Amino acid sequence: AQSVTQLGSHVSVSEGALVLLRCNYSSSVPPYLFWYVQYPNQGLQLLLKYTTGATLVKGINGFEAEFKKSETSFHLTKPSAHMSDAAEYFCAVSDQAGGYQKVTFGTGTKLQVIP
Amino acid sequence: NAGVTQTPKFQVLKTGQSMTLQCAQDMNHNSMYWYRQDPGMGLRLIYYSASEGTTDKGEVPNGYNVSRLNKREFSLRLESAAPSQTSVYFCASSWEPTAYGYTFGSGTRLTVV
Repeated sequence: AQSVTQLGSHVSVSEGALVLLRCNYSSSVPPYLFWYVQYPNQGLQLLLKYTTGATLVKGINGFEAEFKKSETSFHLTKPSAHMSDAAEYFCAVSDQAGGYQKVTFGTGTKLQVIP
Repeated sequence: NAGVTQTPKFQVLKTGQSMTLQCAQDMNHNSMYWYRQDPGMGLRLIYYSASEGTTDKGEVPNGYNVSRLNKREFSLRLESAAPSQTSVYFCASSWEPTAYGYTFGSGTRLTVV
């Protein structure tokens, strides 16, 4: 069975500092991995995805994530935090299970950006 | 703008009342989904529809029913609301979620008192 673990339900960074949000997954088959962002009172928006190919994936708003199979990780990073990055971030894993493409979401990490 | 539209945005129900949450997408997506979001629990799948004319249970289907009315519309019905169904409900759609991910609606915040 697939699962996703996001380390840290809350992360605080200073404006301009590195953002690192951690995600580890388990999957019995090669996974597809996603990061979504949720701004207050809004739905989730796809930030980036890994399907196959290059393990460093670039997304919107300057975010990127690296798929590391040996570490079963897909951490999200951004070199310099901006106030507008304050939101909740969800990691998700998808694989084929009994003919249905099952997507499992992590419990989310709230990012606070301190001026 | 193209996307997923959910109605209503907010709703308060009394225990035992029924209601239907509406969802429509205009992206010609094949698959549609209903999730609920609760603090500290991420998103949990209630029901999904892989294509027009089909529906299947997700992780937490008890107390809910769905209808895929046509390719655009996928509704979620609570027949007899319970306080445990207080949550934020999201509808999503996709061409194929593994490759493309989901497009989400803006959510319905439901309180059952």
